[in-house]
Amino acid sequence: GDSVTQMEGPVTLSEEAFLTINCTYTATGYPSLFWYVQYPGEGLQLLLKATKADDKGSNKGFEATYRKETTSFHLEKGSVQVSDSAVYFCALLFMNRDDKIIFGKGTRLHILP
Amino acid sequence: DAGVIQSPRHEVTEMGQEVTLRCKPISGHDYLFWYRQTMMRGLELLIYFNNNVPIDDSGMPEDRFSAKMPNASFSTLKIQPSEPRDSAVYFCASTPGGELFFGEGSRLTVL
Repeated sequence: GDSVTQMEGPVTLSEEAFLTINCTYTATGYPSLFWYVQYPGEGLQLLLKATKADDKGSNKGFEATYRKETTSFHLEKGSVQVSDSAVYFCALLFMNRDDKIIFGKGTRLHILP
Repeated sequence: DAGVIQSPRHEVTEMGQEVTLRCKPISGHDYLFWYRQTMMRGLELLIYFNNNVPIDDSGMPEDRFSAKMPNASFSTLKIQPSEPRDSAVYFCASTPGGELFFGEGSRLTVL
């Protein structure tokens, strides 16, 4: 079945470091791909998305490119801040199929000042 | 605009008691999802509705759990009787299709 695999955390970085959180997916077809972020004590919120191959989603300095050939959607940021400390979830969705988003297990990110 | 509204934000109860969690989705969103989040199991989909009709309840852990959506603006998740292993944060989310909008969650502690 369809699934999402993302790197296990926690990931600990110093402020201004470069961030990569890996995400790969298994799916029959071409889903839409998402990154959600969950700040402490809050619900998940959409960070960025891409709906077709080679699309790049970006928001708040974060980027991810939909790579069909490697079935990946890695999240990157050039210079992280303490305020980026959160849990990040990769997810996929087939629009107009079952409308059920499939989430990865989440990656906890700690940024040290 | 108001987002997804959940209540209560925190609930502490004793084992065996009935717990009811409530959710008001964003107006116009046809889909409503209930998730449970714990450290051990992560984020789990319990059930989701489309136009107030339950579509997939395969994630509901057992008969102690039930969910209803009597109208487009209200849903409940009920646990009866509650057990300590039900302690978790329960999230409601809604969508018109595509991006999910989450509530802030209801943190349940069963003693």
